[in-house]
Amino acid sequence: GESVGLHLPTLSVQEGDNSIINCAYSNSASDYFIWYKQESGKGPQFIIDIRSNMDKRQGQRVTVLLNKTVKHLSLQIAATQPGDSAVYFCAENRSGGSNYKLTFGKGTLLTVNP
Amino acid sequence: DADVTQTPRNRITKTGKRIMLECSQTKGHDRMYWYRQDPGLGLRLIYYSFDVKDINKGEISDGYSVSRQAQAKFSLSLESAIPNQTALYFCATSSTSGADDTQYFGPGTRLTVL
Repeated sequence: GESVGLHLPTLSVQEGDNSIINCAYSNSASDYFIWYKQESGKGPQFIIDIRSNMDKRQGQRVTVLLNKTVKHLSLQIAATQPGDSAVYFCAENRSGGSNYKLTFGKGTLLTVNP
Repeated sequence: DADVTQTPRNRITKTGKRIMLECSQTKGHDRMYWYRQDPGLGLRLIYYSFDVKDINKGEISDGYSVSRQAQAKFSLSLESAIPNQTALYFCATSSTSGADDTQYFGPGTRLTVL
Protein backbone atom coordinates (compact mmCIF):
# COMPACT_ATOMS: atom_id res chain seq x y z
CA GLY A 1 0.00 0.00 0.00
CA GLU A 2 0.94 3.64 -0.11
CA SER A 3 3.31 4.81 2.52
CA VAL A 4 2.10 8.37 2.42
CA GLY A 5 -1.40 8.80 3.79
CA LEU A 6 -3.68 11.30 5.44
CA HIS A 7 -5.50 11.10 8.76
CA LEU A 8 -8.50 13.16 7.60
CA PRO A 9 -9.92 12.90 4.11
CA THR A 10 -12.09 16.02 4.62
CA LEU A 11 -11.77 19.10 6.78
CA SER A 12 -14.31 21.86 7.16
CA VAL A 13 -13.38 25.10 8.92
CA GLN A 14 -14.79 28.56 9.43
CA GLU A 15 -13.24 31.49 7.66
CA GLY A 16 -10.61 33.04 9.86
CA ASP A 17 -9.87 29.88 11.81
CA ASN A 18 -6.60 28.02 11.59
CA SER A 19 -6.50 24.74 9.66
CA ILE A 20 -4.29 21.75 10.29
CA ILE A 21 -3.92 19.02 7.71
CA ASN A 22 -2.03 15.89 8.69
CA CYS A 23 -0.02 13.33 6.78
CA ALA A 24 1.74 10.11 7.81
CA TYR A 25 4.61 8.49 6.02
CA SER A 26 6.29 5.17 6.59
CA ASN A 27 9.62 5.36 4.78
CA SER A 28 12.39 6.45 7.13
CA ALA A 29 14.64 7.05 4.13
CA SER A 30 12.42 9.86 2.82
CA ASP A 31 14.31 13.10 3.08
CA TYR A 32 12.15 15.69 1.40
CA PHE A 33 8.48 16.49 1.85
CA ILE A 34 6.17 18.77 -0.05
CA TRP A 35 2.66 20.09 0.28
CA TYR A 36 0.64 20.78 -2.84
CA LYS A 37 -2.71 22.52 -3.22
CA GLN A 38 -5.08 21.46 -5.97
CA GLU A 39 -8.05 23.61 -6.81
CA SER A 40 -10.93 22.23 -8.82
CA GLY A 41 -10.01 21.89 -12.50
CA LYS A 42 -6.38 22.76 -11.97
CA GLY A 43 -3.08 21.02 -11.53
CA PRO A 44 -1.35 20.73 -8.15
CA GLN A 45 0.34 23.90 -7.02
CA PHE A 46 3.42 23.91 -4.79
CA ILE A 47 2.81 25.42 -1.35
CA ILE A 48 5.77 24.65 0.86
CA ASP A 49 8.44 22.05 1.35
CA ILE A 50 10.70 20.82 4.12
CA ARG A 51 13.82 18.72 4.23
CA SER A 52 14.48 16.06 6.80
CA ASN A 53 17.13 18.11 8.58
CA MET A 54 14.44 20.56 9.67
CA ASP A 55 11.47 20.29 12.04
CA LYS A 56 9.58 23.38 11.01
CA ARG A 57 9.37 25.74 8.10
CA GLN A 58 7.19 28.79 7.68
CA GLY A 59 5.83 30.47 4.62
CA GLN A 60 3.18 33.08 4.06
CA ARG A 61 0.28 31.99 6.33
CA VAL A 62 1.47 28.38 6.11
CA THR A 63 3.70 26.32 8.35
CA VAL A 64 4.90 22.77 7.81
CA LEU A 65 5.94 20.65 10.77
CA LEU A 66 7.93 17.45 10.47
CA ASN A 67 8.15 14.90 13.24
CA LYS A 68 10.59 12.26 12.12
CA THR A 69 10.19 10.22 15.29
CA VAL A 70 6.60 9.33 14.47
CA LYS A 71 6.90 9.93 10.72
CA HIS A 72 4.30 12.65 10.69
CA LEU A 73 3.92 15.78 8.61
CA SER A 74 1.42 18.57 9.05
CA LEU A 75 0.38 21.69 7.20
CA GLN A 76 -0.96 24.58 9.21
CA ILE A 77 -2.83 27.37 7.48
CA ALA A 78 -3.37 30.52 9.51
CA ALA A 79 -6.51 32.62 9.18
CA THR A 80 -8.04 30.32 6.60
CA GLN A 81 -9.74 32.07 3.72
CA PRO A 82 -12.35 30.89 1.19
CA GLY A 83 -9.61 30.83 -1.43
CA ASP A 84 -7.86 28.14 0.58
CA SER A 85 -10.63 25.68 -0.25
CA ALA A 86 -8.96 22.90 -2.23
CA VAL A 87 -7.53 19.42 -1.98
CA TYR A 88 -4.17 19.34 -0.22
CA PHE A 89 -1.63 16.62 -0.97
CA CYS A 90 1.50 15.72 0.86
CA ALA A 91 4.29 14.08 -1.08
CA GLU A 92 7.53 12.47 -0.06
CA ASN A 93 10.73 12.09 -1.97
CA ARG A 94 12.60 8.85 -1.59
CA SER A 95 15.34 9.50 -4.07
CA GLY A 96 17.77 10.52 -1.41
CA GLY A 97 18.81 13.58 -3.28
CA SER A 98 17.27 15.67 -5.96
CA ASN A 99 13.53 15.91 -5.98
CA TYR A 100 12.51 13.75 -8.90
CA LYS A 101 10.53 10.81 -7.62
CA LEU A 102 7.61 11.81 -5.47
CA THR A 103 5.07 9.59 -3.77
CA PHE A 104 1.79 11.38 -3.17
CA GLY A 105 -0.79 10.88 -0.48
CA LYS A 106 -4.49 10.60 -1.30
CA GLY A 107 -5.30 14.17 -0.39
CA THR A 108 -7.49 16.07 2.09
CA LEU A 109 -10.37 18.21 0.94
CA LEU A 110 -10.42 21.50 2.83
CA THR A 111 -13.67 23.43 2.80
CA VAL A 112 -13.76 26.94 4.22
CA ASN A 113 -17.16 28.16 5.32
CA PRO A 114 -17.82 31.91 5.19
CA ASP B 1 0.69 27.27 -14.39
CA ALA B 2 0.87 28.81 -17.86
CA ASP B 3 4.52 27.76 -18.15
CA VAL B 4 3.40 24.15 -18.49
CA THR B 5 0.66 23.51 -21.02
CA GLN B 6 -1.20 20.35 -21.88
CA THR B 7 -3.28 19.50 -24.92
CA PRO B 8 -6.01 18.52 -25.21
CA ARG B 9 -7.65 19.56 -21.96
CA ASN B 10 -10.48 17.11 -22.42
CA ARG B 11 -10.77 14.03 -24.59
CA ILE B 12 -13.37 11.34 -25.01
CA THR B 13 -12.37 8.28 -26.96
CA LYS B 14 -13.36 4.68 -27.51
CA THR B 15 -11.77 1.45 -26.39
CA GLY B 16 -8.96 0.37 -28.68
CA LYS B 17 -8.16 3.82 -30.05
CA ARG B 18 -4.68 5.29 -29.97
CA ILE B 19 -4.45 8.52 -28.02
CA MET B 20 -1.64 11.02 -27.58
CA LEU B 21 -1.51 13.63 -24.85
CA GLU B 22 0.97 16.42 -25.26
CA CYS B 23 2.87 18.55 -22.81
CA SER B 24 4.97 21.63 -23.50
CA GLN B 25 6.92 23.82 -21.12
CA THR B 26 8.61 27.19 -21.35
CA LYS B 27 10.37 26.94 -18.00
CA GLY B 28 13.59 25.59 -19.50
CA HIS B 29 13.47 22.58 -17.21
CA ASP B 30 15.32 19.42 -18.08
CA ARG B 31 13.09 16.96 -16.24
CA MET B 32 9.53 16.12 -17.23
CA TYR B 33 6.95 13.73 -15.78
CA TRP B 34 3.59 12.19 -16.53
CA TYR B 35 1.16 11.34 -13.72
CA ARG B 36 -2.36 10.06 -13.59
CA GLN B 37 -4.91 10.94 -10.94
CA ASP B 38 -7.95 8.85 -10.11
CA PRO B 39 -10.82 9.92 -7.83
CA GLY B 40 -9.85 9.57 -4.19
CA LEU B 41 -6.27 8.72 -5.02
CA GLY B 42 -3.10 10.71 -5.13
CA LEU B 43 -1.05 11.20 -8.24
CA ARG B 44 0.79 8.16 -9.55
CA LEU B 45 3.87 8.38 -11.72
CA ILE B 46 3.63 6.87 -15.20
CA TYR B 47 6.92 7.90 -16.82
CA TYR B 48 9.64 10.45 -16.22
CA SER B 49 12.44 11.85 -18.33
CA PHE B 50 15.65 13.47 -17.17
CA ASP B 51 16.52 14.73 -20.62
CA VAL B 52 15.79 13.96 -24.25
CA LYS B 53 17.76 10.71 -24.19
CA ASP B 54 16.81 9.52 -20.73
CA ILE B 55 13.33 8.08 -20.20
CA ASN B 56 12.30 5.96 -17.24
CA LYS B 57 9.25 3.96 -16.23
CA GLY B 58 7.29 5.01 -13.21
CA GLU B 59 5.10 2.85 -11.02
CA ILE B 60 2.25 2.38 -13.51
CA SER B 61 3.80 2.41 -17.00
CA ASP B 62 1.95 -0.61 -18.41
CA GLY B 63 -0.30 0.39 -21.30
CA TYR B 64 1.49 3.71 -21.82
CA SER B 65 4.45 4.95 -23.83
CA VAL B 66 6.17 8.32 -24.00
CA SER B 67 8.27 10.38 -26.32
CA ARG B 68 10.56 13.27 -25.43
CA GLN B 69 10.70 15.08 -28.75
CA ALA B 70 12.67 18.01 -27.39
CA GLN B 71 13.63 19.38 -24.02
CA ALA B 72 10.39 21.32 -23.93
CA LYS B 73 8.04 18.60 -25.15
CA PHE B 74 6.99 15.32 -23.58
CA SER B 75 4.09 13.32 -24.97
CA LEU B 76 2.18 10.41 -23.49
CA SER B 77 0.57 7.78 -25.69
CA LEU B 78 -2.04 5.15 -25.04
CA GLU B 79 -1.53 2.66 -27.85
CA SER B 80 -4.88 0.96 -27.33
CA ALA B 81 -7.01 2.79 -24.82
CA ILE B 82 -9.10 0.86 -22.30
CA PRO B 83 -11.81 2.11 -19.92
CA ASN B 84 -9.67 1.82 -16.79
CA GLN B 85 -7.37 4.42 -18.28
CA THR B 86 -10.10 6.98 -17.75
CA ALA B 87 -8.44 9.51 -15.45
CA LEU B 88 -6.93 12.94 -15.10
CA TYR B 89 -3.44 13.13 -16.56
CA PHE B 90 -0.89 15.68 -15.40
CA CYS B 91 2.43 16.66 -16.81
CA ALA B 92 5.07 18.17 -14.54
CA THR B 93 8.54 19.64 -14.93
CA SER B 94 11.49 20.27 -12.67
CA SER B 95 15.01 21.53 -12.94
CA THR B 96 18.30 20.08 -11.78
CA SER B 97 20.06 23.42 -11.95
CA GLY B 98 19.74 26.05 -9.28
CA ALA B 99 18.21 25.75 -5.86
CA ASP B 100 14.63 25.18 -6.97
CA ASP B 101 13.98 21.56 -7.92
CA THR B 102 10.24 21.71 -7.26
CA GLN B 103 7.94 19.92 -9.65
CA TYR B 104 5.57 22.28 -11.46
CA PHE B 105 2.36 20.87 -12.85
CA GLY B 106 0.32 21.59 -15.93
CA PRO B 107 -3.47 22.08 -15.85
CA GLY B 108 -4.24 18.46 -16.66
CA THR B 109 -6.03 16.49 -19.36
CA ARG B 110 -9.28 14.76 -18.56
CA LEU B 111 -9.44 11.53 -20.56
CA THR B 112 -12.53 9.37 -20.82
CA VAL B 113 -12.35 5.98 -22.51
CA LEU B 114 -15.73 4.53 -23.39
